[in-house]
Amino acid sequence: GAVVSQHPSWVICKSGTSVKIECRSLDFQATTMFWYRQFPKQSLMLMATSNEGSKATYEQGVEKDKFLINHASLTLSTLTVTSAHPEDSSFYICSASRTSGGDEQYFGPGTRLTVT
Amino acid sequence: KQEVTQIPAALSVPEGENLVLNCSFTDSAIYNLQWFRQDPGKGLTSLLLIQSSQREQTSGRLNASLDKSSGRSTLYIAASQPGDSATYLCVVSSGSYIPTFGRGTSLIVHP
Repeated sequence: GAVVSQHPSWVICKSGTSVKIECRSLDFQATTMFWYRQFPKQSLMLMATSNEGSKATYEQGVEKDKFLINHASLTLSTLTVTSAHPEDSSFYICSASRTSGGDEQYFGPGTRLTVT
Repeated sequence: KQEVTQIPAALSVPEGENLVLNCSFTDSAIYNLQWFRQDPGKGLTSLLLIQSSQREQTSGRLNASLDKSSGRSTLYIAASQPGDSATYLCVVSSGSYIPTFGRGTSLIVHP
C-alpha cells in the first residue's frame, strides 16, 4: 500500500509555456503533500508544503506565482510551472503523508521537466 | 532551523563489505527520521522509518539506529551487493513537520 504516482513522468515544453504536474496518492488519503525539485547531483530541495483545502506554504526563495500548487482533494495535488524558462528544467518529486503530524512520507517517482 | 549532515558524501567498496552510513541533525526535537535510496534519475524508495520514540528499525540487510539526544542516526548495510549502489538520503521531520534532507551518501559497490 501507500503508492504515490506522478504524471507525466517526463515532459518537454517550450519556453514561456505552462506545465502541470499531478501527484496522486492511489491507495490512501493524503492530508499533506510536499513538492521538491532536484538539480543534477544535488539533494532535493523542498519547494512547498500543501495541506488539503488550504493554500500551500512556500519555502523561502520559491516564487508562489510561478509555481502554482493546488491540493483540492485528499488524493490529488498539482504543481503548475507557469511561463517556464530553461532554468526551470529539473526533476520534480512529490511526497504525501496521511497526516500533517510528521507521518511517514511516500514519494512519487518524479517528473523530469525540460524547457527548451 | 534543522540541518542534516550525511557522512561520507561518497563511498566505494568491494562487494561483501559491511557498511555504515552516518546522518546527524542539529535539532533533536524530531518526529521521525527516514532513510531513502535514490537511483540515478529515479524517485525515492523508502528504506526505513524510525519514529522519535524508537531506537532502531531493521529490514533485511538494513538496520537503522536513532540516538535523538546526540542527534545521530546510522544506516548499517550488511554484506553489501552491487545492487545496493545508489544514493542514500536521510530525511528528518521536525518543527512544523517540515522534512529536511541531507545531501546524501553516494554508494558504489563493485563486484
